[in-house]
Amino acid sequence: QVQLVQSGAEVKKPGSSVKVSCKASGGTFSSYAISWVRQAPGQGLEWMGGIIPIFGTANYAQKFQGRVTITADESTSTAYMELSSLRSEDTAVYYCAREVTMIAEGIYYFDYWGQGTLVTVSS
Amino acid sequence: QSVLTQPPSVSGAPGQRVTISCTGSSSNIGAGYDVHWYQQLPGTAPKLLIYGNSNRPSGVPDRFSGSKSGTSASLAISGLQAEDEADYYCQSYDSSLSGSGWVFGGGTKLTVL
Repeated sequence: QVQLVQSGAEVKKPGSSVKVSCKASGGTFSSYAISWVRQAPGQGLEWMGGIIPIFGTANYAQKFQGRVTITADESTSTAYMELSSLRSEDTAVYYCAREVTMIAEGIYYFDYWGQGTLVTVSS
Repeated sequence: QSVLTQPPSVSGAPGQRVTISCTGSSSNIGAGYDVHWYQQLPGTAPKLLIYGNSNRPSGVPDRFSGSKSGTSASLAISGLQAEDEADYYCQSYDSSLSGSGWVFGGGTKLTVL
């Protein structure tokens, strides 16, 4: 059974950075891409970007370009999401999720999710 | 403002059938990308409910069904149960001049009366 276990809650000051980890087990880490999705309090889901560990290449949502960095360490089956220049609007639960991608069929979805990491940005 | 549009809330009595709509555009659902649905119980992570427009992962009851037509999709829940009370999100992929990526609906809160 695939499991994604994320790091614990964080409290950060405006202008600082946060790095959240997502450790995978029970599957072949390198074969699947990992995405990061966030959910502000009382709000919907928002895709931030993703990475294919075997290639090490990440792609980002336009909204977060330049402010988010997604990396992966195949040796520990762990993906990371670092968000910089934090502001109060970045207060949210951040989820990692495993992507299922079938480009030819136009199928892109998430089959497993981490438990979420609450990041609070406050002065 | 979400790329996919869902009603903010729906409700139904136990045993009834409800549907949740998800409307997109020519750059996502209308472009042929499949629609997927997630159920989010209070305080928990989203869980895959329907993938590939109408397929249920193992363990999801057949009371849940999905469909897609044109630029829209729907999730139907029949035989409503109290445990179905949750937020439901549709998701697809969007490819436009401004970029490509995974997109979600704003979510629909289902209340079981």
